[in-house]
Amino acid sequence: GDSVTQMEGPVTLSEEAFLTINCTYTATGYPSLFWYVQYPGEGLQLLLKATKADDKGSNKGFEATYRKETTSFHLEKGSVQVSDSAVYFCALPSGSARQLTFGSGTQLTVLP
Amino acid sequence: SAVISQKPSRDICQRGTSLTIQCQVDSQVTMMFWYRQQPGQSLTLIATANQGSEATYESGFVIDKFPISRPNLTFSTLTVSNMSPEDSSIYLCSVAPTGAGTGELFFGEGSRLTVL
Repeated sequence: GDSVTQMEGPVTLSEEAFLTINCTYTATGYPSLFWYVQYPGEGLQLLLKATKADDKGSNKGFEATYRKETTSFHLEKGSVQVSDSAVYFCALPSGSARQLTFGSGTQLTVLP
Repeated sequence: SAVISQKPSRDICQRGTSLTIQCQVDSQVTMMFWYRQQPGQSLTLIATANQGSEATYESGFVIDKFPISRPNLTFSTLTVSNMSPEDSSIYLCSVAPTGAGTGELFFGEGSRLTVL
């Protein structure tokens, strides 16, 4: 079945560092791809999405490009802040009922 | 969008007991989902709760262990029955609001259960 694989964490960076969190997917066809973020003590929220190949999703300074040739959807940010400390999940749709399959999650800690 | 409230936010339970988690949404939604997030792990879908019909359970989850109610379009409950320490997890309610795109889900803050 369809699946996503995320880079293992945790990731610790200094403020203003460049961030990349890798995500690759296995799917039939070209599904939409998503990044969700879970801040401490909160539920998940959609960070960004891309609905077709070569699309770039962006939000809050984060970007991810849907690359079908490498089946990847890596999350990037040029300058992270302490407030970006959270767990990041890559996801794609699964099943027939608008469900999502999530990657393992990557814990990001940004130090001041 | 949708605002989702879950209760309890956390609880400590004794082995062998059952606990019911409530999920209230501020708008009517057709589909509600219950996920489990075990410590340090990703989310796993337990079941899809549709109003007016039985919940649809994913492989590895059964109704006797995780009975679900969906009495109307804004409310659902998940019961974790006969709990063991392995059930210690965060349980998340999620909805796909009308008009939201595929994969665009809204989540509650979760209910963190610790089973002793």
